[in-house]
Amino acid sequence: AQSVTQLGSHVSVSEGALVLLRCNYSSSVPPYLFWYVQYPNQGLQLLLKYTSAATLVKGINGFEAEFKKSETSFHLTKPSAHMSDAAEYFCAVKVTGNTPLVFGKGTRLSVIA
Amino acid sequence: GAVVSQHPSRVICKSGTSVKIECRSLDFQATTMFWYRQFPKKSLMLMATSNEGSKATYEQGVEKDKFLINHASLTLSTLTVTSAHPEDSSFYICSLAGDSYEQYFGPGTRLTVT
Repeated sequence: AQSVTQLGSHVSVSEGALVLLRCNYSSSVPPYLFWYVQYPNQGLQLLLKYTSAATLVKGINGFEAEFKKSETSFHLTKPSAHMSDAAEYFCAVKVTGNTPLVFGKGTRLSVIA
Repeated sequence: GAVVSQHPSRVICKSGTSVKIECRSLDFQATTMFWYRQFPKKSLMLMATSNEGSKATYEQGVEKDKFLINHASLTLSTLTVTSAHPEDSSFYICSLAGDSYEQYFGPGTRLTVT
């Protein structure tokens, strides 16, 4: 069965600093990987996805993630944090189209002015 | 991507009553839908997978007689929480399987049982 591990339940960065949210996956077959963002009391918004094309994936709001098979990682980065980036971020994995996404435990990002 | 709606967005009910949550796909025919539950400050936990016209498949530990799922059409799935209790209070999110391995999520329903 597939799974994801998000290292760090809470990450705090200064405004303008680099954002790095870590995600490692476990899968017996090539995975499809996703990052979602959730603002308080709202649903999920897709940031970006990896579906076996380019290993460096660019998403919305300036985020990007790199799929590294050798490290089984899919870390999320953004060069410069903005106050509006403060939210909960979830890494997720699936292996086929009709199987459900399996989510990591989430990382809460705080941005300090 | 597909647009998914949920109704109601918030509901407060008394302990012992039943609550039905609707999940509609507005522009996509979804053969497969998923229901997730999210506790405060926690991740999304898959409750069940429903395929149109057949019985839902529940995850281990989820009571199928308590959480009734009906996937009546390609655009509608319902989750009924029967005889709700305060511990059922949670954020319920539906999702449908789309193209390109993506899942489209509804905005969620906040259930509070008093």
